[in-house]
Amino acid sequence: DSGVTQTPKHLITATGQRVTLRCSPRSGDLSVYWYQQSLDQGLQFLIQYYNGEERAKGNILERFSAQQFPDLHSELNLSSLELGDSALYFCASSVEPAGGAGELFFGEGSRLTVL
Amino acid sequence: SQQGEEDPQALSIQEGENATMNCSYKTSINNLQWYRQNSGRGLVHLILIRSNEREKHSGRLRVTLDTSKKSSSLLITASRAADTASYFCATAGFIQGAQKLVFGQGTRLTINP
Repeated sequence: DSGVTQTPKHLITATGQRVTLRCSPRSGDLSVYWYQQSLDQGLQFLIQYYNGEERAKGNILERFSAQQFPDLHSELNLSSLELGDSALYFCASSVEPAGGAGELFFGEGSRLTVL
Repeated sequence: SQQGEEDPQALSIQEGENATMNCSYKTSINNLQWYRQNSGRGLVHLILIRSNEREKHSGRLRVTLDTSKKSSSLLITASRAADTASYFCATAGFIQGAQKLVFGQGTRLTINP
């Protein structure tokens, strides 16, 4: 158990809809990362927050947004969903502010299926 | 792109044999990390090697880093069936003004009993 909690574990929705994925980081970790894993794109970095502030941005679509709240949990919002958004979305956390300066602890992921 | 590229994409060996996976990257890095993922599960950190280090060990794992060749290798000795998983290298470095951890496509390792 990494200590990172993601909900929901599975989500099935239709094209055009909007979903919210939630992540609670490991106790004491201030950095939260979001990654998307799909069969054809591999593991893609989306965004990182540190103590409530956006720290780094990756290949995140404009239809996607994220935030980190004062209690350090984070939410990833995906809107106007397309079939290609079907993927496993991972949240990870770490202590360090700089992306990847130390090891990341991953949650078990949220599997999104868009029909 | 800084993204690491693993080689081979898939590897199948007999239990007890050693498994070697390679990772190449394109730009300068601060560190390189290896992660393991069991099918459909979250990634688990294995080892981190900094840019000024050349070799690191952890149990049956040995990681080397050659910054002049921009490459790293992960060696798993005396493999076990439980080592069956996908292994990813990830490079930490500056991209577009921020330090990011970027993952490669992974090597799928199968250990046959």
